Amino acid sequence: AQRVTQPEKLLSVFKGAPVELKCNYSYSGSPELFWYVQYSRQRLQLLLRHISRESIKGFTADLNKGETSFHLKKPFAQEEDSAMYYCALSFTGGGNKLTFGTGTQLKVEL
Amino acid sequence: GAVVSQHPSWVICKSGTSVKIECRSLDFQATTMFWYRQFPKQSLMLMATSNEGSKATYEQGVEKDKFLINHASLTLSTLTVTSAHPEDSSFYICSASSPWTLYEQYFGPGTRLTVT
Repeated sequence: AQRVTQPEKLLSVFKGAPVELKCNYSYSGSPELFWYVQYSRQRLQLLLRHISRESIKGFTADLNKGETSFHLKKPFAQEEDSAMYYCALSFTGGGNKLTFGTGTQLKVEL
Repeated sequence: GAVVSQHPSWVICKSGTSVKIECRSLDFQATTMFWYRQFPKQSLMLMATSNEGSKATYEQGVEKDKFLINHASLTLSTLTVTSAHPEDSSFYICSASSPWTLYEQYFGPGTRLTVT
């Protein structure tokens, strides 16, 4: 069965510092990986997906199949980046079902 | 575009009663809707997948007779928690997707259920 692991429950950084939110997955086939974000009192929304290979709000994530990782990175954290971040996985034949990690709360301090 | 609503946003019910939660796609037709459960400070756990006009597919460990899911139209799915007990208290979130959204899931705001 597929699994997504986010080892950090809370990550606290200072404004302007680099950010890396870790995500590792286990799945024997070729998964599709996503990062979702949930700002305070808002609904979950898609931040980026690996097949798009785009940068959203300064965030990027590269799928590393060798290390089975999909870490989320941003070179300079902003206060508005403070939110809950979830890594998620779907797979071919899975009916677009998502398996979520436990989430990492990012807190950007001034 | 691609807005999903849930109703109610918060509900309290007594143990033993049933409660229905609605999930609506407001500006697109959702061929598939997903229901998740989220405990405090924990991740979203998929409960079931419903395709319009078909029976829902439940994840392992989810009681289909307790959590009744109906997806009778392309814009509405309902989750009914039958004979609710305090352990059913949780945050229930739906999402919707379709070819129109390129199968991206759009999430509702969630419904907080408290069973007393």
